[in-house]
Amino acid sequence: DTEVTQTPKHLVMGMTNKKSLKCEQHMGHRAMYWYKQKAKKPPELMFVYSYEKLSINESVPSRFSPECPNSSLLNLHLHALQPEDSALYLCASSQYTYNEQFFGPGTRLTVL
Amino acid sequence: GQQVMQIPQYQHVQEGEDFTTYCNSSTTLSNIQWYKQRPGGHPVFLIQLVKSGEVKKQKRLTFQFGEAKKNSSLHITATQTTDVGTYFCAGSWASGGSYIPTFGRGTSLIVHP
Repeated sequence: DTEVTQTPKHLVMGMTNKKSLKCEQHMGHRAMYWYKQKAKKPPELMFVYSYEKLSINESVPSRFSPECPNSSLLNLHLHALQPEDSALYLCASSQYTYNEQFFGPGTRLTVL
Repeated sequence: GQQVMQIPQYQHVQEGEDFTTYCNSSTTLSNIQWYKQRPGGHPVFLIQLVKSGEVKKQKRLTFQFGEAKKNSSLHITATQTTDVGTYFCAGSWASGGSYIPTFGRGTSLIVHP
């Protein structure tokens, strides 16, 4: 299985809602990532987990809360988001941080 | 933080013409990766270059890594409409041992039939 899966594909939420994005990989990869991508922009790194431990937080606001329950799963908990947080949220994984990354299809998030 | 500069931002070509995108770092890279993102899609890994002066080919795509490991290029020969998309380079440095790649801004390739 060489796939990274993400759910949901689309999410619309209000500014007071709490929601979660989910990501899963079964390639035995030890590094997992969350990216935010706005239209016509490159992916912007948010968080990196290495061996299930948070190793990088790129100064992301606390309304985004990552979680890595086990080596195959990565969650992103969302609370009190702003309309400017609307974007495509991509999950990726790699064997180690210096290897190529496999991206999931993304969750397209709209904050009203 | 360290950055990878990528040019051009957009490139329009007629089908059959060649295309090149360039990436440049002010400091020596550990490696550079290239990804393609189709419209409405997600980035897909194309290749990783590690060695100084490395050249790799994938059918009509040629990837180069400079001798100083500060620049890289992707060249597509005789473009086809299936080449449409945004091509990103992603450079890594050995800072702190993390090697997390930093994406360039991307080059959007538009192929006119």
